Amino acid sequence: AQSVTQPDIHITVSEGASLELRCNYSYGATPYLFWYVQSPGQGLQLLLKYFSGDTLVQGIKGFEAEFKRSQSSFNLRKPSVHWSDAAEYFCAVDRGTSYGKLTFGQGTILTVHP
Amino acid sequence: EPEVTQTPSHQVTQMGQEVILRCVPISNHLYFYWYRQILGQKVEFLVSFYNNEISEKSEIFDDQFSVERPDGSNFTLKIRSTKLEDSAMYFCASSDTGRGNTIYFGEGSWLTVV
Repeated sequence: AQSVTQPDIHITVSEGASLELRCNYSYGATPYLFWYVQSPGQGLQLLLKYFSGDTLVQGIKGFEAEFKRSQSSFNLRKPSVHWSDAAEYFCAVDRGTSYGKLTFGQGTILTVHP
Repeated sequence: EPEVTQTPSHQVTQMGQEVILRCVPISNHLYFYWYRQILGQKVEFLVSFYNNEISEKSEIFDDQFSVERPDGSNFTLKIRSTKLEDSAMYFCASSDTGRGNTIYFGEGSWLTVV
């Protein structure tokens, strides 16, 4: 089945440590790829997106993500995590076959220890 | 920064009652969406709306649900005869174009059906 997978349900890191959140998709063609963040009580905020071109994309709040076609992955990274980054992170895919129909992964909860 | 606003932030309703969730999309956007997230589950696409009609809907979006753009600024989701399993966070979203463009989400409306 075509899907978006975030293998890690919960990740804990220390403040200042590096972070990588994994996302894999299983679609035949390269879809449009997004990472959203949801802080407690907040909506979904777009961190970054990949449509085409440079496979390393920069986003807000110091995040970046790398698209790897061979691995069908779009992993999110940050070199140094801040306590305010604690939130739930969602990878999402737009297959480009319909209007605004995003398929989301199940999310990764990030806990940051001081 | 322009944002999508939703009301109410939280609503508790009796099973069988009708609920209307309201949204004000970003003003120059043309595509509107509803998504929902049942507690502990993925964010799911419900429906997309463009040019005063539904562009696409998921299998979840059955006859119990309807959407409307009653005026130039509001976008509503009506749930008729609510069921316990309708309890979820409902997100409104909008984008200025359709395929592959950035979708901006509101903060969500928590619906609790008792």
